[in-house]
Parts: sequence; C-alpha cells; structure tokens
Amino acid sequence: DIQMTQSPSSLPASLGDRVTITCRASQDIGNYLRWFQQKPGKSPRLMIYGATNLANGVPSRFSGSRSGSDYSLTINSLESEDMAIYYCLQHNEYPNTFGAGTKLELK
Amino acid sequence: QVQLKESGPGLVQPSQTLSLTCTVSGLSLTSNSVSWIRQPPGKGLEWMGVIWSNGGTDYNSAIKSRLSISRDTSKSQVFLKMNSLQTEDTAMYFCASLGFAYWGQGTLVTVSS
Repeated sequence: DIQMTQSPSSLPASLGDRVTITCRASQDIGNYLRWFQQKPGKSPRLMIYGATNLANGVPSRFSGSRSGSDYSLTINSLESEDMAIYYCLQHNEYPNTFGAGTKLELK
Repeated sequence: QVQLKESGPGLVQPSQTLSLTCTVSGLSLTSNSVSWIRQPPGKGLEWMGVIWSNGGTDYNSAIKSRLSISRDTSKSQVFLKMNSLQTEDTAMYFCASLGFAYWGQGTLVTVSS
C-alpha cells in the first residue's frame, strides 16, 4: 500500500500567517492527490483536487503544489474559519490512503 | 442537488455483522462511484472501499476479508456489510461520491456488548 506521510501533525499559527502542510508519497502517485478540511463534528470538505486545483467554493487563499513526491497545501493569510484538521488523500492506487492529518490551531 | 445519507444500527455487538446503507440523490449510481470511509473517535480517516459505476468493487486490503459493498441502483442505495466486528471498529462511517466532493453526514457505529 502507498504510505502518505503528512507533516506536521500539529501546527500552531496566528491569524494572517501563511502556513504550509506537506504530504510525502511512498510511491509515485502522479497528481492523484486531494486535500480535505475537517471541522469538529463535520464531514470532510474537499479543498484541492489533482494536487493543484481548487475545489468549488474554496477561497483563493488556499493553494496546492507538488515537488516530486512531496505535495503541499498552503494557506495564505490565515483566517479563524481555517482552523481545522487537514488530510491528504492519494487515489492513484487501491487502497486509497489518507495522511494522518494536521491540526491547524491558533497560537 | 447531490446528497448522500448514511443509515445504520448505531450499536453492534462484538463478533456481529454491521450493515449500513448510503442513500444517494441527485446522482446516478450507474454513472458514479461511491466510497466508504470511516473515522474512529478522535482519529484519522480510513478509506474502506469503493463500488464503481459498473458495480465492480475495490477494498482496503486490511479489512478486505470482512468487507462487502453492494448496491441497489433502483433504490439509489449502496450497502456496506462488515462481519466479525470488534471494539476497534467503533467509528463514524461516511459514504462519499463525485471524487470525494460530496459526503454524507456520517453515522456513528459503536461496537459494544
């Protein structure tokens, strides 16, 4: 199975900060990488698909990028509503695998 | 408007079989796949399996021997069955479709005697 190593597990940040979360794939997954945001008691929300494409309705301060086997989610100018847990998902091979999650919280 | 809704028993006894239903609206099961994902309390997401538009399936190898996903296209329903449940199977169970752009609200399953 493909392993997705997500870091950091916890990310304290201040409003207005620029933050980056990274997932490293253990095998080639091309651009078959999605990012999700999950708030307490809610279902995950798709934020990024195809590694770099913004999902419908997602604010433009979110962006996705790829460098080799490293995939990143960047949030520019953090807002309070961005505090959540973020997960990556590879869907290049089965089983699909999620990263362990990054909890973004106020410093 | 695309909607998915999970339903199930809530409480299952250890060693018993879990049966969940995902009822979809606004999309056709013959044109779209539906995945099941679970999340133990306070933990991360685990992809369980998928049923494709042609009825084929793929499963997480870790639970493949216990898991079955099927559907009734006439009722727009997808079914999950998992046997030999243990306490570690306690989780919120979600169904999702359209490239994980649409999720149900989840149904909590507790495995306990």
